[in-house]
Amino acid sequence: GQNIDQPTEMTATEGAIVQINCTYQTSGFNGLFWYQQHAGEAPTFLSYNVLDGLEEKGRFSSFLSRSKGYSYLLLKELQMKDSASYLCAPQNRDDKIIFGKGTRLHILP
Amino acid sequence: DAGITQSPRHKVTETGTPVTLRCHQTENHRYMYWYRQDPGHGLRLIHYSYGVKDTDKGEVSDGYSVSRSKTEDFLLTLESATSSQTSVYFCAISEDYNEQFFGPGTRLTVL
Repeated sequence: GQNIDQPTEMTATEGAIVQINCTYQTSGFNGLFWYQQHAGEAPTFLSYNVLDGLEEKGRFSSFLSRSKGYSYLLLKELQMKDSASYLCAPQNRDDKIIFGKGTRLHILP
Repeated sequence: DAGITQSPRHKVTETGTPVTLRCHQTENHRYMYWYRQDPGHGLRLIHYSYGVKDTDKGEVSDGYSVSRSKTEDFLLTLESATSSQTSVYFCAISEDYNEQFFGPGTRLTVL
């Protein structure tokens, strides 16, 4: 079957670092996306990992371990505008993207 | 931002009535998708299209049909709306099998 696990909610402080973990099981695997979604808005693309390792993009980094079925999104120098839901979304062998339920991140001043 | 619009943005309808949601893109992307998003379920794929008149079912297609007669338009129809179809509907587009760009969403309430 297909399953995606990520924490439902997390809280962090402005200026700090937070890591959002995601474990997944899919029918085959082609890559993994992370999307950001602010309340009441559409999801927006953050990153796409195909190979093992860390990909850095500004304040955001995403890590993938294909053998462990594990990914994380690392957010540095947190800002209030980072308060949002973060969706882990693996892509299965049919290239379908399966979205997790999301992690709601709260940033405290 | 990718040029994707959805109409209507909000709709309230009654059980048993037909409803059509429209997704329009100006990017000439090949792939178009319809998702629904509900609390506790995340985004779930309803139907998708890989070209004009080429469509396929997603994870939660029962009760929905789609049509794509032009590259830029992808229509989602609820033939007879039910309360369980109350949701936020997102359209998305992509040029290949990778990054998807999402429209602003349609909030549908079925009473």
